Amino acid sequence: SYVLTQPPSVSVAPGQTARITCGGNNIGSKSVHWYQQKPGQAPVLVVYDDSDRPSGIPERFSASNSGKTATLTISRAEAGDEADYYCQVWDSSSDHRVFGGGTKLTVL
Amino acid sequence: QITLKESGPTLVKPTQTLTLTCSFSGFSVRTSGVGVGWIRQPPGKALEWLAFIYWNDDKRYSPSFKSRLTITKDTSNNQVVLTMTNVDPVDTATYYCALGQASTSTYWFDPWGQGTLVTVSS
Repeated sequence: SYVLTQPPSVSVAPGQTARITCGGNNIGSKSVHWYQQKPGQAPVLVVYDDSDRPSGIPERFSASNSGKTATLTISRAEAGDEADYYCQVWDSSSDHRVFGGGTKLTVL
Repeated sequence: QITLKESGPTLVKPTQTLTLTCSFSGFSVRTSGVGVGWIRQPPGKALEWLAFIYWNDDKRYSPSFKSRLTITKDTSNNQVVLTMTNVDPVDTATYYCALGQASTSTYWFDPWGQGTLVTVSS
């Protein structure tokens, strides 16, 4: 089955840019979705279909996908961005949904 | 406004069958392209996709759980039910249901329910 690999943790200083990666075999050929999960809360979609943002998600959240790596970029990081971030794809060959292992973002 | 809410037992004994219900509003599972999925999260661990049911009653299961899961929908009552057999303490987790959204080439989940914590213990 398809596997997505994320770094366990990423740190960023307030006001700087955080980049969270999601690796997978030829992931550039798939569409990647990103979720933010704060402690004790349900996940919230922040990017879908590689780079689209749902309404209400700040423009500071952007994403790209190419080759073997998809990247979620958070510009001008704020304390409120501290959360776990998960990537997800739909594996068309099996019609299965797959999540990455998650990345804990620390803003310090 | 689309909302989903999970319900079910908070405590289940090992080897028993767990039944969870996702009650939703703001959409209909009769609508072409619509689907509902179940995802779980063991304490302190990552999200795990479990199952998905489409508007046409087509069903998909994670290969890791396939033999133990059954997903069904009750269109009249706007509910989707997940059944997991032969539970084990490792099945202790928060279980979420979520609306499956689609474009021409992919699927994602939005929004999610608040989740329900299920503990498996004797």
